[in-house]
Amino acid sequence: GAVVSQHPSWVICKSGTSVKIECRSLDFQATTMFWYRQFPKQSLMLMATSNEGSKATYEQGVEKDKFLINHASLTLSTLTVTSAHPEDSSFYICSARTGGETGELFFGEGSRLTVL
Amino acid sequence: KQEVTQIPAALSVPEGENLVLNCSFTDSAIYNLQWFRQDPGKGLTSLLLIQSSQREQTSGRLNASLDKSSGRSTLYIAASQPGDSATYLCYYRGSTLGRLYFGRGTQLTVWP
Repeated sequence: GAVVSQHPSWVICKSGTSVKIECRSLDFQATTMFWYRQFPKQSLMLMATSNEGSKATYEQGVEKDKFLINHASLTLSTLTVTSAHPEDSSFYICSARTGGETGELFFGEGSRLTVL
Repeated sequence: KQEVTQIPAALSVPEGENLVLNCSFTDSAIYNLQWFRQDPGKGLTSLLLIQSSQREQTSGRLNASLDKSSGRSTLYIAASQPGDSATYLCYYRGSTLGRLYFGRGTQLTVWP
């Protein structure tokens, strides 16, 4: 299957700093990527849909100024957690879809963020 | 409101058993449905994708069926192995553009 790479796999930062997470589709082009947050023993919560060349579409309750998403190319989307606080500590996962609206979803390995 | 329900929430079985995991959804107008597995602390691995026009897909010991009329999908795991232990998630691409819907998953433990 297609490969989605996510980096870093884990990061620890101080409260108040910003953290950038990258999501890359390695062997296909993805006009749309998705960012999720997952709490322990919970399912994935969709945060936003990242569209190449345009603004991301955020889910209700997700602060767009807090979670900055940039989809600058067909193979790269980034999520920046700005002014991180301990409550932002979580597992963040990205996904990308092949073949348009009915394409298959492929996921990155996830990024574990811990804010001290 | 579009929702995905997965039953059971957890399942613990001895090695060798044939298993059935269930996923139900409320949106009859779906584009496709996909089953994933997630190992602890990891991302999701795609297992099977069923398009709206299909009834089932098979890959090795896995078989997934789709019944749009009843809003159900079933994942069959034949001859389960300890390596199958993971959380299995059901997702469907619904009629609302851009939305993705995941169930809470079934946590499977297969013991030797």
